[in-house]
Amino acid sequence: KQEVTQIPAALSVPEGENLVLNCSFTDSAIYNLQWFRQDPGKGLTSLLLIQSSQREQTSGRLNASLDKSSGRSTLYIAASQPGDSATYLCAVSLNSGGYQKVTFGTGTKLQVIP
Amino acid sequence: NAGVTQTPKFRVLKTGQSMTLLCAQDMNHEYMYWYRQDPGMGLRLIHYSVGEGTTAKGEVPDGYNVSRLKKQNFLLGLESAAPSQTSVYFCASSYQDRAAFSSYNEQFFGPGTRLTVL
Repeated sequence: KQEVTQIPAALSVPEGENLVLNCSFTDSAIYNLQWFRQDPGKGLTSLLLIQSSQREQTSGRLNASLDKSSGRSTLYIAASQPGDSATYLCAVSLNSGGYQKVTFGTGTKLQVIP
Repeated sequence: NAGVTQTPKFRVLKTGQSMTLLCAQDMNHEYMYWYRQDPGMGLRLIHYSVGEGTTAKGEVPDGYNVSRLKKQNFLLGLESAAPSQTSVYFCASSYQDRAAFSSYNEQFFGPGTRLTVL
């Protein structure tokens, strides 16, 4: 059974700092990994999707890397801003009985202090 | 292009009552999913659908039923609500290349429905 772990569960940083969020998974036979952002009381917004054949994806100040062999992904946020405060979730998909099953981590709650 | 929409946004039920949550997507996606999100447990898949007229069980299907009569809509039903079903429910949709099984599956989420069962 695929398990996805995100450490730390919560993180508080001063504005302007670069930071790294971690995601680890137990089954390396994944198809892709997706990072989401969730604001309080809201749905999930997709940030980056990394295919299994890729090692990283970038979007603006965000960079996500994937190391399938070690079962790890990191989300790097450069020059953090108060607007980055949210919960960040990673999710991995793998083949399960003919469909791509997606397993989510429990998230890292980020607070960027002005 | 509204993406994925969910109705209602909030609902309070009494134990034993029934209700239906509606999810609609306008992206012509084949796959649709219902998740529940509970503190400390992440998102867990309730049911999913790989196309119009199809449904399948996810991780936590007990107490729920679903229907996908039209490609753009996915309904989640609670026949007899229980306090354990108090949660936030999210619908999602995705495009998938069934032949390749290798790409896409980027999931797009609705805003959620907050359900309380008393």
